[in-house]
Amino acid sequence: NAGVTQTPKFQVLKTGQSMTLQCAQDMNHNSMYWYRQDPGMGLRLIYYSASEGTTDKGEVPNGYNVSRLNKREFSLRLESAAPSQTSVYFCASESYEQYFGPGTRLTVT
Amino acid sequence: GQQLNQSPQSMFIQEGEDVSMNCTSSSIFNTWLWYKQDPGEGPVLLIALYKAGELTSNGRLTAQFGTTRKDSFLNISASIPSDVGIYFCAGQVNNAGNMLTFGGGTRLMVKP
Repeated sequence: NAGVTQTPKFQVLKTGQSMTLQCAQDMNHNSMYWYRQDPGMGLRLIYYSASEGTTDKGEVPNGYNVSRLNKREFSLRLESAAPSQTSVYFCASESYEQYFGPGTRLTVT
Repeated sequence: GQQLNQSPQSMFIQEGEDVSMNCTSSSIFNTWLWYKQDPGEGPVLLIALYKAGELTSNGRLTAQFGTTRKDSFLNISASIPSDVGIYFCAGQVNNAGNMLTFGGGTRLMVKP
């Protein structure tokens, strides 16, 4: 039982490049979330998925897209990366409480 | 969006001392949560509070859900070096996709 896993752990992109951050959970949770964490700030919600087949915007969705591929997997895509998207990205899944993955550290140069 | 004000932003204390931190909001929350984040890791849930006035303990940690539902407090008794990390409060409304609103974090440093 791995909980919430994220790949990759680290990534460096150039401005304008695209990439997809992967997240998977093995706890059979319906809800999944993507957050970003910036220095000195708490986590801010980018997108969430209340159940398979549904996605909704969070607090800071601009520049991102998501896909709830199945119940286990929820991916976050940056179509054209910008330096402002340099951050640590966390995925979470929820039954009654949210459980977080280890994070992806993304740098956009 | 909603904002949670968490204080203090950082604390540097001696091992064995007690620690207190708090979160306040301009809005009401139905659930308050306290997380700890170790370097290079995701946040881990410490305590969840579901009722106004609730006082809940988890080992040396005690948290309270404020009676106004706009604040919460976390106390750590007899701190030890492994308490080092960033502590986050989070509020949940429960009718907005269960989204969490996070405070800015309290960085705790413990001197042995």
